[in-house]
Parts: sequence; C-alpha cells; structure tokens
Amino acid sequence: GQSLEQPSEVTAVEGAIVQINCTYQTSGFYGLSWYQQHDGGAPTFLSYNALDGLEETGRFSSFLSRSDSYGYLLLQELQMKDSASYFCAVRDGSSYKLIFGSGTRLLVRP
Amino acid sequence: DAGVIQSPRHEVTEMGQEVTLRCKPISGHDYLFWYRQTMMRGLELLIYFNNNVPIDDSGMPEDRFSAKMPNASFSTLKIQPSEPRDSAVYFCASTTGQGGNQPQHFGDGTRLSIL
Repeated sequence: GQSLEQPSEVTAVEGAIVQINCTYQTSGFYGLSWYQQHDGGAPTFLSYNALDGLEETGRFSSFLSRSDSYGYLLLQELQMKDSASYFCAVRDGSSYKLIFGSGTRLLVRP
Repeated sequence: DAGVIQSPRHEVTEMGQEVTLRCKPISGHDYLFWYRQTMMRGLELLIYFNNNVPIDDSGMPEDRFSAKMPNASFSTLKIQPSEPRDSAVYFCASTTGQGGNQPQHFGDGTRLSIL
C-alpha cells in the first residue's frame, strides 16, 4: 500500500527558515506534491516534484530524492500568515488519485 | 475564473436524515474527487470520477454513501441515513488530466454535523 510520514507539528520564528520533511512508501511513484491548508480553509496546491532536485517558487521550495523516497518543503522568510497545515501527497500509480500525508501543523511565532 | 463551488457550506441535521452535498467543478476539468477530512483520519479520498464516470469508489465507507455525476458540471454526494460519525468536512476537488502534473483545486468544503 501507500503511506506517507511527516512530522505532526513544527514551530518557528517569523523571518526564519523551516523545513518540513516527508517520507513515502508507494507501489508506484508519479510525483510528490505539497498542499497548504489554513484553519477552516481548503487545501491549496503549493508545489510538485516529479524528478530529483529542488523546485523553487518564491519563498517556498520543494525537494525530492526518489532514491531515498524522501522530500521536503522549505519555507523561507517565514511570515505569520504561513501558519497553517502542510500536506505532502503522492499520486497512486498511474491514476490521478492522491494519497495525502497526515499533515504538519506549522506555527509561526513573532 | 470561478473555482470549485460546493454547497451547502454548513449543514447540521439529525441522525437518520438524508444529506446531499453538491459540487460544481471548474469548467473544463475532467476529474472530480470527493474527500472527507476529520482530525482522526485526516484527508481521505472517498471516490473520484473521470469524464463523469466513477473510477474508484474504494474509499466510500459503506452503502449509506453514494455519489453521482450526471454531467460534467455537477456532482452530488449523498448520505442516507446519516450517523453522528459522518460528521466531518467534505471537500470536492477537480483537475484536468491533460499534461503532466495537474494540481487538484479544492472547493471551500461542506462542514457537516450530524446530531
């Protein structure tokens, strides 16, 4: 089956850098995605990695190592508005079905 | 552009009642997904459609749950009869199958409380 592991909570200070890790076990792999969800809101797409390496989108970057079944989301210059839950997700084989991790709750403190 | 639209935003009803959740996907998207989110179980996929056809309903918890997609712009998730353990936030999401990775676009969700 598919499983994803990520830390349940991370706390960081405004302006700092934080890394949220995700390890996965899948029968097939078609890319690792990251979604952000604010309390009371809907998940919104942040990034996607299909190949090894770093993808950068503004203050957010995402990294993938397929040989290690590992990825991370890097958030730089943290702002209070970044306080949210962050989910990693993998596609289930060749379908468009996404399997989500349990989420990492990020708390940014002043 | 209009995003995924779900209704109602909130629903409170008594145990045993029928509940119908509605979803309008983004125009042109040919995949539609229904998820349920709870603190205990996280974000679970219930069922998904491709071109209005159910592809995988293995996440539907039991026969009390049913989903339909009569056309490309509308889907329903029905619970009959409802039970307190069905209380959750239900999200609908859509995406297009064209090209490489296509992110899923989520609606604002329906917060369902069964008393």
